[in-house]
Amino acid sequence: QSALTQPPSASGSPGQSVTISCTGTNSDVGRYNYVSWYQQHPGKAPKLMISEVSKRPSGVPDRFSGSKSGNTASLTVSGLQAEDEADYYCSSYAGSNIYVFGPGTKVTVL
Amino acid sequence: EVQLVESGGDLVTPGGSLRLSCAASGFTVNSAWMNWVRQVPGKGLEWLALIKSETDGGTTDHAAPVKGRFTISRDHSKNTLYLQMNSLKTEDTAVYYCVTERAGAFPFWGQGTQVTVSS
Repeated sequence: QSALTQPPSASGSPGQSVTISCTGTNSDVGRYNYVSWYQQHPGKAPKLMISEVSKRPSGVPDRFSGSKSGNTASLTVSGLQAEDEADYYCSSYAGSNIYVFGPGTKVTVL
Repeated sequence: EVQLVESGGDLVTPGGSLRLSCAASGFTVNSAWMNWVRQVPGKGLEWLALIKSETDGGTTDHAAPVKGRFTISRDHSKNTLYLQMNSLKTEDTAVYYCVTERAGAFPFWGQGTQVTVSS
């Protein structure tokens, strides 16, 4: 059982926006600004899309944005494109050198 | 360019042992916080272990499900990260990734190596 909670699926049409939530507790998401998001296409390794709640690594399109409120973090993909169809995982530092992941959300571009 | 190449995955019987390796290039493993993360096919990601950089003490930590059975380590001379896995269980079957860590995130991932535990 994952320590973080994500919806199993989300979808949107090309050009629309989709937001994925990631709910933890006041021991992980709520306590630390070390929430990150990963995109994974089938058969590939995960790719870091957002770090420290809202920072985009070099090369990640600005269509991807992150935020946090209380114990819930969110990833928003604006202007959906076909290549955004993938699984998305959130992760949070949980203290004592421990990290936790969410179960993943499958994003479908309709 | 940072590259991580895992190896050592195999089919092993329950109770057996295996050592995974992760050859790094583009940086030195001693200077980075390194982790192992696994993924059961069709399932989510699970963080397993961390080894801090030498300048941060080089200490290690392991997730509860593998503590006492798995051990993370590194060899500076070979620029390689390891995961020693003992007392393997069927539920350890997964793809194992070698991953760098910075500011609580995992920016660089290897391609993964498959471990199958089955009789």
